[in-house]
Amino acid sequence: SAVISQKPSRDICQRGTSLTIQCQVDSQVTMMFWYRQQPGQSLTLIATANQGSEATYESGFVIDKFPISRPNLTFSTLTVSNMSPEDSSIYLCSIKGGSYNEQFFGPGTRLTVL
Amino acid sequence: RKEVEQDPGPFNVPEGATVAFNCTYSNSASQSFFWYRQDCRKEPKLLMSVYSSGNEDGRFTAQLNRASQYISLLIRDSKLSDSATYLCVVSLSGNTPLVFGKGTRLSVIA
Repeated sequence: SAVISQKPSRDICQRGTSLTIQCQVDSQVTMMFWYRQQPGQSLTLIATANQGSEATYESGFVIDKFPISRPNLTFSTLTVSNMSPEDSSIYLCSIKGGSYNEQFFGPGTRLTVL
Repeated sequence: RKEVEQDPGPFNVPEGATVAFNCTYSNSASQSFFWYRQDCRKEPKLLMSVYSSGNEDGRFTAQLNRASQYISLLIRDSKLSDSATYLCVVSLSGNTPLVFGKGTRLSVIA
C-alpha cells in the first residue's frame, strides 16, 4: 500500500489564525480526501481533492474556511482558516487504492485551537 | 437517521471471549462494506472487507445482510491486542469516499 505522510503531526494555534496541513503520498493517486475527527466522534469527510480542478466539499464545509490545493497527483494541502476552538480536531488525509478499493489514511494532524 | 449506526460500547470482555459487533446502514444502494480498526491516537486501518457471502480472516468473521442493511463482525478468542475501536464503513461505489460509523470500543481484559 502507498505511504502517506502529513505535516505537521500536531500544532497548537491561537484563535483567528490559519494553519496549512500538508499531505504527501509516495505514489500517484487520482482521489485524495480530507477528513476531520473531533474528540469522541467518527470521521467526517470535509472534501475530495481533485487534481486540476477545485475540491468538492461536503455539506457543512466551505472553501473559504477550508481551502484545499492539489497541485499534482502526489500532494495536497488543507488550510484551516480563521480558527476557533471548535476547529480543534484531528485532520486526516486519505487515498483510495488496494485490492478492495479501500481507503488508506495518513497519520493525522492533531490541531488544538486556544 | 445516521448513515451508519453502531453501538458505541464499550465492550469489556475477558481474554479468550467471543464478541460480536453489529452495524446498520441507511443507504440501500451501498456497494462496498468494510471494518476498520482504530487504535487510540492513531489513524484508522483496514481490518477486513465484507463480502456478500460473508468472509473469515483468522479469528475474525464478517457478515453482510443486504435485506436488513446490517453488517456484523465476530471476534473469537479475544486477545489483549484486540483492544481498539472498530469502525463500520460503507461506500456507494468505487469512486465515492467511505462513510464511517462512530465506532464500537472494545477492551479485552486479562
